[in-house]
Amino acid sequence: NAGVTQTPKFQVLKTGQSMTLQCAQDMNHEYMSWYRQDPGMGLRLIHYSVGAGITDQGEVPNGYNVSRSTTEDFPLRLLSAAPSQTSVYFCASRARDRFNEKLFFGSGTQLSVL
Amino acid sequence: AQSVTQLDSHVSVSEGTPVLLRCNYSSSYSPSLFWYVQHPNKGLQLLLKYTSAATLVKGINGFEAEFKKSETSFHLTKPSAHMSDAAEYFCVVSPTIAGNMLTFGGGTRLMVKP
Repeated sequence: NAGVTQTPKFQVLKTGQSMTLQCAQDMNHEYMSWYRQDPGMGLRLIHYSVGAGITDQGEVPNGYNVSRSTTEDFPLRLLSAAPSQTSVYFCASRARDRFNEKLFFGSGTQLSVL
Repeated sequence: AQSVTQLDSHVSVSEGTPVLLRCNYSSSYSPSLFWYVQHPNKGLQLLLKYTSAATLVKGINGFEAEFKKSETSFHLTKPSAHMSDAAEYFCVVSPTIAGNMLTFGGGTRLMVKP
């Protein structure tokens, strides 16, 4: 099992550009989520999904879109990048309704918006 | 509503001395609590979790944490620090009911001096 795979690892964008961060997991997890990590703020939830076709907003959803067409993939789209979106992004998954279970994290995407 | 406060953003210890990383939480529901560790340029790894069983929880690499409901605390300890423990540590709260919205603390960076 590869676990949770994120691509790319690094990305530099100009203000106003759009891009998609990819996340895939091979553990048949229903629950997938995106976080951003900023210094001193821990990880903040952007969007999450509890299954194919179901998505919901987290704590900081503005400026980001998600979709979940398959169980395996959960891409995060930046519609018009802004410098405030410079951050490290993590995708995480776990089995649905397993609130006591650990999250499996990807290795992160470091995004810089100039 | 729930929140997590990690009381120290940085902790520095000497190798072989005890480690204490402090975490206070608030939650409307009976929570599950986690500690995750993040080594430089890596994803997050679960250290330990509390899920309403024993209040003293043992994790990997000699870490343990004690759930104290009266103090709403979940401090992380280790009797003897090792150089490899240098990392960032996150306290996380998840409501046992509808636990899709995890809340992370701001993180504590542990430095270990030789």
